[in-house]
Amino acid sequence: QQQVKQSPQSLIVQKGGISIINCAYENTAFDYFPWYQQFPGKGPALLIAIRPDVSEKKEGRFTISFNKSAKQFSLHIMDSQPGDSATYFCAASITYNTDKLIFGTGTRLQVFP
Amino acid sequence: EPEVTQTPSHQVTQMGQEVILRCVPISNHLYFYWYRQILGQKVEFLVSFYNNEISEKSEIFDDQFSVERPDGSNFTLKIRSTKLEDSAMYFCASSESATNTEAFFGQGTRLTVV
Repeated sequence: QQQVKQSPQSLIVQKGGISIINCAYENTAFDYFPWYQQFPGKGPALLIAIRPDVSEKKEGRFTISFNKSAKQFSLHIMDSQPGDSATYFCAASITYNTDKLIFGTGTRLQVFP
Repeated sequence: EPEVTQTPSHQVTQMGQEVILRCVPISNHLYFYWYRQILGQKVEFLVSFYNNEISEKSEIFDDQFSVERPDGSNFTLKIRSTKLEDSAMYFCASSESATNTEAFFGQGTRLTVV
């Protein structure tokens, strides 16, 4: 119930293409869904986050789509760039009674020029 | 830009030895966390700390682990008697409040137990 399932494990995209990473959860108590970007040797950095009262959030080239009924959310990276090559983690949290983040298994994205 | 800083960046220790991993959270943050990431695996929650006490801990955080905020700026994770399976990247994180859930992560300490 506390798990967040993430796919794919790895993704190769050409420069300019769209990268799509999907996550699914079971626990309907989750109310905060962030995406973290991690470069090798660095800590995860918050990229974008959404709460379940909206179905989409866009920040620049990054968009989260949220489907509450399907208990799924996804990250879309438009016009993918080589600098986007990193590992992406989705996460979820129940903010009203805990502040811990439950992370997905990660997606290694490689964007080739 | 304020950041979470961790020291050391890499620690090698012998099995059975005690290690202390250090973190300086962002100065106005009140909530502090430790997470770990075994090589190639997902980031896992260890413990959260607020108002000088543990607010939540995972099943990984057993009696061998402890956390402390010894002064107004540092936040430490101690592993009393390290095991080979404690080898991982340990991340400290902090957030401003329980409702502002944006957690800022440090760059991590790579712990290698030999």
